[in-house]
Amino acid sequence: AQTVTQSQPEMSVQEAETVTLSCTYDTSENNYYLFWYKQPPSRQMILVIRQEAYKQQNATENRFSVNFQKAAKSFSLKISDSQLGDTAMYFCAFMKHYNNAGNMLTFGGGTRLMVKP
Amino acid sequence: GAVVSQHPSRVICKSGTSVKIECRSLDFQATTMFWYRQFPKQSLMLMATSNEGSKATYEQGVEKDKFLINHASLTLSTLTVTSAHPEDSSFYICSARDPRDNQPQHFGDGTRLSIL
Repeated sequence: AQTVTQSQPEMSVQEAETVTLSCTYDTSENNYYLFWYKQPPSRQMILVIRQEAYKQQNATENRFSVNFQKAAKSFSLKISDSQLGDTAMYFCAFMKHYNNAGNMLTFGGGTRLMVKP
Repeated sequence: GAVVSQHPSRVICKSGTSVKIECRSLDFQATTMFWYRQFPKQSLMLMATSNEGSKATYEQGVEKDKFLINHASLTLSTLTVTSAHPEDSSFYICSARDPRDNQPQHFGDGTRLSIL
């Protein structure tokens, strides 16, 4: 079974600054997918960024980037130029593989991020 | 726009009532849907995997007689919380994979269930 751990229950950052959220996971799989989801107060689940384990290059989506260290089983999220709208819960998630029917996601415990003006 | 619709968004009812939550895939067929439960300030915990035309697969510790899942069509899964009690109060979220895109799952907007 897979486990996902987020060691930072809460974090805060000043607007326009950079913050890094940590995530570690445990799996015996060699190929898998990792994700960061954002859950704002509206409780919607929004996919922020994905990383395929077979890719060495770290994924980037605008102000969001990851530091994927496969050997260390670490998958951190960096948010640059933080905005007030980034205030939300952030969940790291693991998935073994894609299939058309869908595959289960294993979520970490979450990190509550507060962006301060 | 939303590809997974969940209804109702909010339910308040008395203890002992059974509550049905619907999860619909819009414009695509979903042979599998997932039901999650989220307590305040906690993570999403998978309750069960709903399979069209067959029995749902429940995660360890989830009472299948308490949380009835029906996936009678390729676009609809329902979760019925039977004889609900205050400890069943929670946020319930469904999800499904749209094979037309590369998102692992699309999530409904959730149902906040409050049992008095």
